[in-house]
Amino acid sequence: DAKTTQPNSMESNEEEPVHLPCNHSTISGTDYIHWYRQLPSQGPEYVIHGLTSNVNNRMASLAIAEDRKSSTLILHRATLRDAAVYYCILRKDYGQNFVFGPGTRLSVLP
Amino acid sequence: ETGVTQTPRHLVMGMTNKKSLKCEQHLGHNAMYWYKQSAKKPLELMFVYNFKEQTENNSVPSRFSPECPNSSHLFLHLHTLQPEDSALYLCASSQDSSTNEKLFFGSGTQLSVL
Repeated sequence: DAKTTQPNSMESNEEEPVHLPCNHSTISGTDYIHWYRQLPSQGPEYVIHGLTSNVNNRMASLAIAEDRKSSTLILHRATLRDAAVYYCILRKDYGQNFVFGPGTRLSVLP
Repeated sequence: ETGVTQTPRHLVMGMTNKKSLKCEQHLGHNAMYWYKQSAKKPLELMFVYNFKEQTENNSVPSRFSPECPNSSHLFLHLHTLQPEDSALYLCASSQDSSTNEKLFFGSGTQLSVL
């Protein structure tokens, strides 16, 4: 199974953009890139996912490199509520199980 | 509110006790999952049910026994646990585990085994 690599932790200032990187150099053509986040004392929640093209939704944007070996989750304006562990996960289209790594712990400073 | 409710939120049990964790989803999903999250470790998938049939048992010890009586309910029966089983147990659901659908998680049950 293809694996992902994320920094252990990152810091951001409130109201500034945050770029969370994820490396997945062994990604295959059928792997979707998923992002989840886990707020304190809660279960993970879906953020965004994509295959090849960049994706936007109300929570975030996902920028996928042209060779697909890396991707970046972009929070356009961080709030204190965005402090969480962010997980980058690869998953095939035909329902392979989600495998969570350690993720990136994002701290947002007021 | 994610549509996935877990009870109890907290549970303390001795090693000889029998207890059960409950999960209920109100999303009309057909797949349900149990994950374990130990302190400072990534989430580990334990069991997967799809249309009430168990499709995954990730080498989980037999002291953990899942039950899925219908697509809306999932239980995890606990018996003769060890202190190292103390963890956050998370339930999740999705439309169908065989497709690329997103997961919806409950808030978890924080289990302490004394």
